[in-house]
Amino acid sequence: EIVLTQSPATLSLSPGERVTLSCRASQSVSSYLAWYQQKPGQAPRLLIYDASNRATGIPARFSGSGSGTDFTLTISSLEPEDFAVYYCQQRSDWPPLTFGGGTKVEIK
Amino acid sequence: QMQLVESGGGVVRPGGSLRLSCVASGFSLSGYGMHWVRQAPGKGLEWVAFMRYDGTQTSYADSVKGRFTISRENSKNMLSLQMNSLSAQDTAVYFCAKDPGCSGGRCSGYFDFWGQGALVTVSS
Repeated sequence: EIVLTQSPATLSLSPGERVTLSCRASQSVSSYLAWYQQKPGQAPRLLIYDASNRATGIPARFSGSGSGTDFTLTISSLEPEDFAVYYCQQRSDWPPLTFGGGTKVEIK
Repeated sequence: QMQLVESGGGVVRPGGSLRLSCVASGFSLSGYGMHWVRQAPGKGLEWVAFMRYDGTQTSYADSVKGRFTISRENSKNMLSLQMNSLSAQDTAVYFCAKDPGCSGGRCSGYFDFWGQGALVTVSS
């Protein structure tokens, strides 16, 4: 099973700041990695797939990069609606599909 | 408007059974692989089960294998999850989620659309 480790667990930031979230895989997942955003009481939303492709309707301030074992989600300038928990997920070798533990982006 | 609506959640005693349903609208379920993903209270996401668009392939997480069964009725645009031998560790919100598509017999393994979830509580 591929284990995904996200860091940091929590980020305290202000609107307008640039955000960089990290996801590391226990073995190479090539580019088969996605990022999701989840707000309290809501279902997750797909942001990025195949490491760097924005899903339909996702604003350009969200970008993804990386391959192999190290991946990054960047939010260029935080909007108030971006405060949420972010999860990475791999589909390189499944089953099982696996998620990282999440990074919470909170208001400073 | 694409929609996935889960139902069937509730409180069940340890060792009991429950059946979740997920009805799709705005698209045809028969064209897509479908997953169940769960989230224990205050915890992260855990993939549970998958069924290919035509029902010919299923996959399960080790934590539910042999206890949970995923099924679908494409004529009703409905996905189901039969859960048996439930324990407290199965307490979670259960989401049904759509796979973006399959190619060459293999489905993508991402989740591009989600329902709002059904809460399952296993407690005596």
